[in-house]
Amino acid sequence: EVQLVESGGGLVQPGGSLRLSCAASGFTFSSYWVHWVRQAPGKGLVWVSRIDTSGRYTDYADSVKGRFTISRDNAKNTLDLQMNSLRADDTAMYYCARGVGRLGETPYYFDNWGQGTLVTVSS
Amino acid sequence: EIVLTQSPGTLSLSPGERATLSCRASQSVSSNYLAWYQHKPGQAPRLLMYGVSSRAGGIPARFSGSGSGTDFTLTISRLEPEDFAVYYCQQYGGSWTFGQGTKVEIK
Repeated sequence: EVQLVESGGGLVQPGGSLRLSCAASGFTFSSYWVHWVRQAPGKGLVWVSRIDTSGRYTDYADSVKGRFTISRDNAKNTLDLQMNSLRADDTAMYYCARGVGRLGETPYYFDNWGQGTLVTVSS
Repeated sequence: EIVLTQSPGTLSLSPGERATLSCRASQSVSSNYLAWYQHKPGQAPRLLMYGVSSRAGGIPARFSGSGSGTDFTLTISRLEPEDFAVYYCQQYGGSWTFGQGTKVEIK
């Protein structure tokens, strides 16, 4: 069974830092792109970042570029998100999700998601 | 960036009724890179459809997707009690974006 389990959320002051982790199991982690997607309270889903299978190539939403860093450890089957210079509008539930696509396609959708970890940025 | 606009914002229906959810893109979605998700409070989002009209594993046949270019539809033929939730469309066109969601609530 595919499992993604996020951790590391909590309360942090504006300007502070937090590191989220996602532990993957039940599949060959190193074969998949993985993403972070967030949902602010009462709002919809927003894509945050993705990393390719090797960890060499990453993408970020404009709202987090330069502040967040995504990384992965294929030996430990873990995905991380280092969040710096946090702002109140970063308050959200953060989900990790596995990216997939049909053979030959860019992995364009998300077939498995974790339960999320809550990040609250407030003084 | 492609913006997805979902309508209506809220759909109030009774079990057994048909639900039709719309997703409109600000520009053409390439290669049918369009997916739909169901999200219930406190749960992980669940993939329903990908490639516009392909059902994900374990998704009942009452869910169907259609459309092309900029206009897409998710249809639930007969609502079951467990179908009341928020539904999101999502596209990939160089970056990943979601619609703002349609809440399907019990009338």
